Amino acid sequence: QKEVEQNSGPLSVPEGAIASLNCTYSDRGSQSFFWYRQYSGKSPELIMSIYSNGDKEDGRFTAQLNKASQYVSLLIRDSQPSDSATYLCAVLNSGNTPLVFGKGTRLSVIA
Amino acid sequence: NAGVMQNPRHLVRRRGQEARLRCSPMKGHSHVYWYRQLPEEGLKFMVYLQKENIIDESGMPKERFSAEFPKEGPSILRIQQVVRGDSAAYFCASSRPGFYEQYFGPGTRLTVT
Repeated sequence: QKEVEQNSGPLSVPEGAIASLNCTYSDRGSQSFFWYRQYSGKSPELIMSIYSNGDKEDGRFTAQLNKASQYVSLLIRDSQPSDSATYLCAVLNSGNTPLVFGKGTRLSVIA
Repeated sequence: NAGVMQNPRHLVRRRGQEARLRCSPMKGHSHVYWYRQLPEEGLKFMVYLQKENIIDESGMPKERFSAEFPKEGPSILRIQQVVRGDSAAYFCASSRPGFYEQYFGPGTRLTVT
């Protein structure tokens, strides 16, 4: 059974701080990794994808991947109250297999 | 460029009725995925389709549920004889051939009374 694990939170950080969200996965064959943001009552929104070991930066977001440790993380710099949402980690084994989602981490940014 | 479209956004059905959920992928996208999300639960994969083909339906219940993506028109997820446990948000996502990023539609909230 392929699993993606996330701490459910809530993770509370003060405005302006760095929020660190973590995710582990069980399938060593996983190749593609995604972070989605989901506001309450809304649909998931893709914010980052990462395919190789190391860091990938996009604005205030940095995704980090360590395939040896089966670990992927998302850093949000200068956190804003509008970043308060549930962040979903998703893992893809290969092109024609389904995305496997974690249950998400609820982030709360306190003004 | 319009995003993934789903309709209806909200659907109320009585037990035993049929529910039909529609999804139009983004322009240029020919791969469609259906997911279900129960309150306080994660997203669960149901089915992956390409035009006129079901690629993977491993997440779909064997009875009462079916999906199609015809050559023309939207993808349809059909639930026959709905039960209260079918109440959930159903999301459709689409992707381009050769690309792994999936983009989600706004979802259909199904309530079974």
